Amino acid sequence: DIVMTQSPLSLPVTPGEPASISCRSSQSLLHSNGFNYLDWYLQRPGQSPQLLLYFSSNRASGVPDRFSGSGSGTDFTLHISRVEAEDVGVFYCMQARQTPWTFGQGTKVEIK
Amino acid sequence: QVHLVQSEAEVKRPGASVKVSCKASGYVHWVRQAPGQGLEWMGIINPSGGSPSYTQRFQGRLTVTRDTSTSTVYMELSRLRSEDTAIYYCARGRLAVASRGGFDSWGQGTLVTVSS
Repeated sequence: DIVMTQSPLSLPVTPGEPASISCRSSQSLLHSNGFNYLDWYLQRPGQSPQLLLYFSSNRASGVPDRFSGSGSGTDFTLHISRVEAEDVGVFYCMQARQTPWTFGQGTKVEIK
Repeated sequence: QVHLVQSEAEVKRPGASVKVSCKASGYVHWVRQAPGQGLEWMGIINPSGGSPSYTQRFQGRLTVTRDTSTSTVYMELSRLRSEDTAIYYCARGRLAVASRGGFDSWGQGTLVTVSS
């Protein structure tokens, strides 16, 4: 199975400041079609997860443009340009390059 | 985001089976989350209901089926253990024609409690 490793696991943030989360995979997520099969999700407290980014850097419908993604192969990053209070929750990366799909451990984002 | 509708919470004895339903079309995945833990992908079924794929650790215990006439997908987990206590989510693939590309709709989650 592909192992997904996120860092940090806990991230205190200040509203208005930028933040980033790293995600590394044990195998390349780059498909021969040029797509990286790496998605990002946010699970707010008490809610179901929601899709933020797919194929590493594509924002899902309705996701604010303060969220962006970068990376290819085995190293990926989620960027938040200016953190807002509603961004509190746990962020997960997930690979879909091969079954079983696997998630990172999650990064808990809290307001300082 | 569209919320998929799942069945209500269940309490089961160890060794029993549970069947959770989800109203959804397209590629449907099942993901579970143990109390205070992260997300774990369990399996996927395609739009026609054929060729479900499961993660190895659930092989033999997990069955995902769908009734296309009612757009309902079912996840059945057998031989339940206390470690199966978790919230079970269904999630729909964003793309109707491919299994990759993110899960853009999730169910509200079904809490399954396994306790003697």
